[in-house]
Amino acid sequence: QVQVQESGPGLVQPSETLSVTCSVSGDSMATSYYWTWIRQAPGKGLEWIGSVFRVGIVYYNAALESRVTISADPSASVISLKVNSVTAADTAVYFCARDTAYGDINAFAIWGQGAKVVVSS
Amino acid sequence: VLTQFPVTLSLSPGERATLSCRASQTVGSYLAWYQQRPGQAPRLIIFDVSKRVTGVPARFSGSGTATDFTLTINNLQPEDFAIYYCQVRTSWPPAVTFGPGTRVDFK
Repeated sequence: QVQVQESGPGLVQPSETLSVTCSVSGDSMATSYYWTWIRQAPGKGLEWIGSVFRVGIVYYNAALESRVTISADPSASVISLKVNSVTAADTAVYFCARDTAYGDINAFAIWGQGAKVVVSS
Repeated sequence: VLTQFPVTLSLSPGERATLSCRASQTVGSYLAWYQQRPGQAPRLIIFDVSKRVTGVPARFSGSGTATDFTLTINNLQPEDFAIYYCQVRTSWPPAVTFGPGTRVDFK
């Protein structure tokens, strides 16, 4: 059974960098899938941040690309997200999710419970 | 851009829910639907327009083509009252968009 667990700082100061990690267990084929970060601001809908496949293939939401870095460490089964120069608008629950399809971005079948991050001084 | 309508659907248990998702341009087969209950992560229920995820009840069905897609929930059960999001993936470069959601609540 695949388990996905996000962890984050809880509170981040404006203008600083937000870092969230996603730990994956129970999936020996994890490196065969895209892993995606999605966020949800309070009371709002879902926003795709970006997706990573293994180490070198990453796609970003164009609206966030200048401030976001997504990386994967397959040996540690960890996917990381960094968002620079955060503002209150980055306050959200950050979800990590695994795709349905091998080697493709399609739909997100397995989700973590999310990491709530508040940007505030 | 994805548009979902209605914004809110007020129904009673046992009724049928028909949720719509419209894309601003033709979408391939990468159309999915998610259910989100309060305080929970979204749950994938339909992908590739009409494929039901293993374990999702048969009362959920997806259909549509080109720019217009529908999620139908027959015989609404109490646990079906939630927010539903549609999602597409563009071909190249790959990018993902979610619709704004439709809330299904008790009449």
